[in-house]
Amino acid sequence: EPEVTQTPSHQVTQMGQEVILRCVPISNHLYFYWYRQILGQKVEFLVSFYNNEISEKSEIFDDQFSVERPDGSNFTLKIRSTKLEDSAMYFCASSGVEEKLFFGSGTQLSVL
Amino acid sequence: KNEVEQSPQNLTAQEGEFITINCSYSVGISALHWLQQHPGGGIVSLFMLSSGKKKHGRLIATINIQEKHSSLHITASHPRDSAVYICAVRFMNYGGSQGNLIFGKGTKLSVKP
Repeated sequence: EPEVTQTPSHQVTQMGQEVILRCVPISNHLYFYWYRQILGQKVEFLVSFYNNEISEKSEIFDDQFSVERPDGSNFTLKIRSTKLEDSAMYFCASSGVEEKLFFGSGTQLSVL
Repeated sequence: KNEVEQSPQNLTAQEGEFITINCSYSVGISALHWLQQHPGGGIVSLFMLSSGKKKHGRLIATINIQEKHSSLHITASHPRDSAVYICAVRFMNYGGSQGNLIFGKGTKLSVKP
């Protein structure tokens, strides 16, 4: 079965630093998403991306966050100036016309 | 208010038992997803429902739109079924994006041999 791949699997950064989390969605998918899960809490929707632009974003996705699909295959989430509370598992997902979601294995971000 | 509630929070079963996990939601939905989160953290989509019933192997998912309730059943449970099962809902009043979901807290299932 096709897979969504995420890199790195773990990222440790200092507070205030910029991080870029990378995802390669399934090749013929059109819809791309980022979610986060703080340890012990629910998964939360961050943003959806379609046709090279953000289609929806949650209240969590403030000006510190941005997404990009720079080259037609990668899909990235950038956090401009990380805060301690950004520590979480970040999941990328993609879907096609059938709406089934395919998730990556996640990037565990630790902000120190 | 758009809410998703799951029960039970934790469930321990013996191998071979029939398992039911429940999900209730507050208002009308466009779609409901059942997801499986492995101990390592990875998430796999099991079902996407908007009505009726779906079956895949030993897993069965049902939804009752009038009662705003869905169930995930596992027949002949096995230790490899041990995982967190998450209900996630796309509310009609919340947005148009397929992946704009409200997630439940999950049900942690442990199946003992």
